[in-house]
Amino acid sequence: DGGITQSPKYLFRKEGQNVTLSCEQNLNHDAMYWYRQDPGQGLRLIYYSQIVNDFQKGDIAEGYSVSREKKESFPLTVTSAQKNPTAFYLCASSIWVTGNQPQHFGDGTRLSIL
Amino acid sequence: AQSVTQLDSQVPVFEEAPVELRCNYSSSVSVYLFWYVQYPNQGLQLLLKYLSGSTLVKGINGFEAEFNKSQTSFHLRKPSVHISDTAEYFCAVNREGGSYIPTFGRGTSLIVHP
Repeated sequence: DGGITQSPKYLFRKEGQNVTLSCEQNLNHDAMYWYRQDPGQGLRLIYYSQIVNDFQKGDIAEGYSVSREKKESFPLTVTSAQKNPTAFYLCASSIWVTGNQPQHFGDGTRLSIL
Repeated sequence: AQSVTQLDSQVPVFEEAPVELRCNYSSSVSVYLFWYVQYPNQGLQLLLKYLSGSTLVKGINGFEAEFNKSQTSFHLRKPSVHISDTAEYFCAVNREGGSYIPTFGRGTSLIVHP
C-alpha cells in the first residue's frame, strides 16, 4: 500500500544537538510538506517542496532546515537554533496541480528535549 | 489571503447522540474545503472534501458536511456518534488558483462519553 513513513516515532534531543526526522513517501507525489503541531495551535507549516532540489520556507522555518534530493524523501533537521523544539512533527505529501488535492500524512514524530 | 475558524476547541457528547463541529472560512475567491480526523499519536486522515457541485458532501465513517457559501461555513455532522469517533478534527481551506498550501483551523477535540 502506498503511504508516508515517518521515523523515528519518538526522538529525544540534547542541548545543542541537531536531530534529523525522516520522511519517505511512495505515492509518487511531487509536493511534500513539514508541519509542527502544538496543543491547541493546529498545524503550522515549516517548509514545503514542490519538486526535487527546490523547497520554500513556511510560516515558522527559523531553526529548521530541509533537503529534497529525491522525490520520495524530504528529511527535516531541527537545529540547535530552534530553542523550543518539543512538539509533534507531521510530514505530508500531495499532488501539486491545483488546490483541490488533499494532503496525505505520515503518523508523525514526537520530539522532546532531554 | 484565506483563513479558517473552528468555533469550538472541544465538543463533549454522549454516545449515540448527534454532533456538529463548526467551521467558518474567509476568502475573497472560490474555495476548496476539507475535513480531516486525527486519532491520538497519529497523522491526519481525510474525512471528506468539497470541491464543487452538491453542497452536501458525504465522507467516511458516517460523517457528512454541508457547504454554505452565503454563510461561508462548512460544518461537519454525524447523526449518531460512537466512542471510536473520539479524536481531533481539522477543517482546512484552499483557494481556487491559490498557492496550493491549505490553511488549517486550530482543531476541535470531539470527546464521546459512554
